[in-house]
Formats: sequence, structure tokens, C-alpha cells
Amino acid sequence: EADIYQTPRYLVIGTGKKITLECSQTMGHDKMYWYQQDPGMELHLIHYSYGVNSTEKGDLSSESTVSRIRTEHFPLTLESARPSHTSQYLCASSGTLGRGQVEKLFFGSGTQLSVL
Amino acid sequence: KNQVEQSPQSLIILEGKNCTLQCNYTVSPFSNLRWYKQDTGRGPVSLTIMTFSENTKSNGRYTATLDADTKQSSLHITASQLSDSASYICVVSDRGSTLGRLYFGRGTQLTVWP
Repeated sequence: EADIYQTPRYLVIGTGKKITLECSQTMGHDKMYWYQQDPGMELHLIHYSYGVNSTEKGDLSSESTVSRIRTEHFPLTLESARPSHTSQYLCASSGTLGRGQVEKLFFGSGTQLSVL
Repeated sequence: KNQVEQSPQSLIILEGKNCTLQCNYTVSPFSNLRWYKQDTGRGPVSLTIMTFSENTKSNGRYTATLDADTKQSSLHITASQLSDSASYICVVSDRGSTLGRLYFGRGTQLTVWP
């Protein structure tokens, strides 16, 4: 089982509120990711980080921002939530089990965000 | 354009029956192909990872096959159980052992009825 945790699991908020989705992993992985997923659709990468103080935007444009001050922590923030931000947000981290092994991607349980 | 297409979009089977899910991809260069199981409201969990040189890999009742020439993969589920009800996602990577760019399919929603 993956040791990657997301909070909260569910969040219902009003338009204009600032929110932070938390993500932590205890596997010591340098690489972490945020994906957005709508029902019946594929996952879209919105942010990734290859280490402390390193963050990049992903393939899907997002108004959210991320930070990576500690290896184990990769929070995502929305300064002013809107109904269009309603979605499931999945945090992930990746690492290998040994030299020459294929890098594996581990997901958290996700945060289902609903903006009213 | 690099794409991953899965079929069928949804599938209903009776408990105890077998089923096969399909994944076709156009990703190039190809590095590896992954199958994930995603329960409703949860994050995906890895089932198998296959590299270019592997054409079959099993994980319990799940068996994945890969034909890199035709760019097709299948996931076979044997003796289905109610807990197999989930979305099964095919993911293709375009780089070596380091996690490259990942291309996700939309998943096949499997429902197992008692």
C-alpha cells in the first residue's frame, strides 16, 4: 500500500473562498504530482515537482498554485474558488524500488471539491 | 497525436465470470504500459506494469498482455468478484525507467453483479 495521504477527502465551499488541499507522503519520494479528474474522463496533470523548491505546471492549465518546501509535503492552493473548479484532485508521488526498476506512481485517495 | 483508447467504455458481468478489457495506444516512443484499478471516489492503484520486452504479466486474478507491434494491450480478469467493480485505467509512458510523460485512457467502468 502507498503511504500518501490527502486531506480533506471531501470539501464543499462557496465561490470566492481560498482553499488548500493537503498532500503528504512518507516514502521519501522526490517527485510529486497533482492530477485533476472529472467523472468518466482521463486524469490530467496540473502540477508536478521534482524536489524541494521545484514546481512546474502540467499539461492542463490550472488557476491553482503549489509549493514544495518539504520533501514530504506538496499542498495545492486555490486563491478564489469558482464552480468551474469543481472536480476530483489526486495527488501522487513516484519512485523506484531499486536500481534499474521501472518507476512506480502511487496515488492518494483524492479530494472531491465542490464549489457552490 | 499520442492517445490511449480503451474499450468498452463500460461493462457489466455476473460474479464468477471472466472478462477482458482492451487498450489501444498511439504513444511513441513507447516505454511501458500500466494498468490501474480505481474504486469510486478513490485514487488509482497499480495492477501491472509492462515494459517493451514483456508480453504478459499477472497479478492474482488479473493478467495483462501487451503486443508492442500492434500497440494493443488487454487486461483479463478471471473469476470476477463483487470487489472487482471499479474503473480500470490504461496508462502509457513514453520514456525509460524514469517516469516520463504519461498518457491516460478514460477507463473502462466494470460492474460485477451477484
